[in-house]
Amino acid sequence: QKEVEQNSGPLSVPEGAIASLNCTYSDRGSQSFFWYRQYSGKSPELIMSIYSNGDKEDGRFTAQLNKASQYVSLLIRDSQPSDSATYLCAVNFQISSGSARQLTFGSGTQLTVLP
Amino acid sequence: DTGVSQDPRHKITKRGQNVTFRCDPISEHNRLYWYRQTLGQGPEFLTYFQNEAQLEKSRLLSDRFSAERPKGSFSTLEIQRTEQGDSAMYLCASSFGGNTIYFGEGSWLTVV
Repeated sequence: QKEVEQNSGPLSVPEGAIASLNCTYSDRGSQSFFWYRQYSGKSPELIMSIYSNGDKEDGRFTAQLNKASQYVSLLIRDSQPSDSATYLCAVNFQISSGSARQLTFGSGTQLTVLP
Repeated sequence: DTGVSQDPRHKITKRGQNVTFRCDPISEHNRLYWYRQTLGQGPEFLTYFQNEAQLEKSRLLSDRFSAERPKGSFSTLEIQRTEQGDSAMYLCASSFGGNTIYFGEGSWLTVV
């Protein structure tokens, strides 16, 4: 069973702090990793994609990937109340032998940024 | 708006009735996906199309579910003889090739 594991939270951080969200995955063959943000009652919105080991920065967001340890993380600097949402980690898994890779999601971490 | 469009956005139906959802992908995206999401869970893959061909179906997709993508453009997801356990948000997404997928706003289904 291909799995993507996230701490469900809730994670609370004060405004202006760094929020750190973590994700582990089970398939060593995975090559593509994504973070989506989902506000309550809305659909997932892509924030970051990362394909290579190391860090990738985009504004206040930094994605970190370590394939050897099979984890990917998302750092949000200078957190704002508007960042309060559920953050979903997604990994491209090959669901069955011979099949194309499909995006498999974790259950999400709920983040609350306190004013 | 050139994003993924889904219709209807909300549907309340009685148990045993059939429902159909429609998805219009981003123009020129050749892949279209259906996911289902329940409260507190991440989206779960149901099926995907490359152009008009349905290439993969999850084991979650029971015989009561059928999806089509005639002409490789819009897609429909039909649920027959709905059950209360079918209540969820049904998400459509599209991509060009196997790259990043973009979700529509979702179709909420409540079975009473």
